[in-house]
Amino acid sequence: DSGVTQTPKHLITATGQRVTLRCSPRSGDLSVYWYQQSLDQGLQFLIQYYNGEERAKGNILERFSAQQFPDLHSELNLSSLELGDSALYFCASSEQGYTIYFGEGSWLTVV
Amino acid sequence: AQKVTQAQTEISVVEKEDVTLDCVYETRDTTYYLFWYKQPPSGELVFLIRRNSFDEQNEISGRYSWNFQKSTSSFNFTITASQVVDSAVYFCALSEASNFGNEKLTFGTGTRLTIIP
Repeated sequence: DSGVTQTPKHLITATGQRVTLRCSPRSGDLSVYWYQQSLDQGLQFLIQYYNGEERAKGNILERFSAQQFPDLHSELNLSSLELGDSALYFCASSEQGYTIYFGEGSWLTVV
Repeated sequence: AQKVTQAQTEISVVEKEDVTLDCVYETRDTTYYLFWYKQPPSGELVFLIRRNSFDEQNEISGRYSWNFQKSTSSFNFTITASQVVDSAVYFCALSEASNFGNEKLTFGTGTRLTIIP
């Protein structure tokens, strides 16, 4: 158990819909990351937050947004979903400058 | 730009054999971190090791060992006396440390390891 908690574990939704993925980082970790794993793109970095502020942005679509709340949990919002958004979405956390630990992921299927 | 190459897409070995997974990286930074993660069939990403660019000592943890060679930009992973539970996809990853606080990982494409009983 990495200590990073993600919900939901599985989600099936229709095209055009909006979903929210939630992440609780390990106790004490200020950095939260979101990654997407798909068959064609592999593991891709989406976005990083540090103590509530956006720190780095990767290949995140404009239809996707994220935030980190004062209690350090984070949410990834995916809107206007397309079939190609079906993927495993990982949240990860780290103490600044140290190892990045991943949650178990949220499996998103868009039908 | 950073890049991680795992040229071995799939490897199958018979149980108890040794197996080495290759990882070659590219970076312009002098300070960086290298990682290996394991992804079993259940899907989670399990941290195995983190190594900084100034520490070229090889590391051994039980049946796992890692060979870091800066001269060839490689960070290879060896499993000794493989077991069926080692069957998984293994990812090598690289993190820049030049901007403290920005530790996003660049992953390789992974190597699917199958241990045949």
